[in-house]
Amino acid sequence: EDQVTQSPEALRLQEGESSSLNCSYTVSGLRGLFWYRQDPGKGPEFLFTLYSAGEEKEKERLKATLTKKESFLHITAPKPEDSATYLCAVQAPGANNLFFGTGTRLTVIP
Amino acid sequence: NAGVMQNPRHLVRRRGQEARLRCSPMKGHSHVYWYRQLPEEGLKFMVYLQKENIIDESGMPKERFSAEFPKEGPSILRIQQVVRGDSAAYFCASSPPSPQETQYFGPGTRLLVL
Repeated sequence: EDQVTQSPEALRLQEGESSSLNCSYTVSGLRGLFWYRQDPGKGPEFLFTLYSAGEEKEKERLKATLTKKESFLHITAPKPEDSATYLCAVQAPGANNLFFGTGTRLTVIP
Repeated sequence: NAGVMQNPRHLVRRRGQEARLRCSPMKGHSHVYWYRQLPEEGLKFMVYLQKENIIDESGMPKERFSAEFPKEGPSILRIQQVVRGDSAAYFCASSPPSPQETQYFGPGTRLLVL
């Protein structure tokens, strides 16, 4: 059965304090791993798609990496506007749906 | 270039009433997905539709829930005889018809059942 576990559940950082969020997954094959950002009261906003182990993608202060068992979302020198819940999802081969973790709630303190 | 649109954004219903949630996909997207997010839980897949076809409804509750995506107009998620446990945020996503497509989400409809 597909499983996605995100850690930590919540993370408080000082502005400028870099850190990483973890997404561990169990899926029969991997069609893609997706990172989204969700602000309170809003829908998930797409960040990255990773398809194969070793792949990395960057966008501003965010960098996503992928291994055969987990993905990391690295946040470099975060700002208060990076505060949000970060969601990880996997898609199995032949599947139509995304299977989501419960997210990491990030708070960046000025 | 408008994103995925959902309405209403908030919906209040009494137990036993019907709820209709609407979703218009992004321009050029022909695939629509519905997800439900219960309080303190992750997003859960419900149904995947293309125009006039339900492709995968493996996540839909067997009773009271139905979905459609007609040739013209938005996709509709319909919940009959709502119960308090149906209170949740319902999100629609759309994707283009290409391999390994990314799903883009709308702002959601927050349903409250009194």
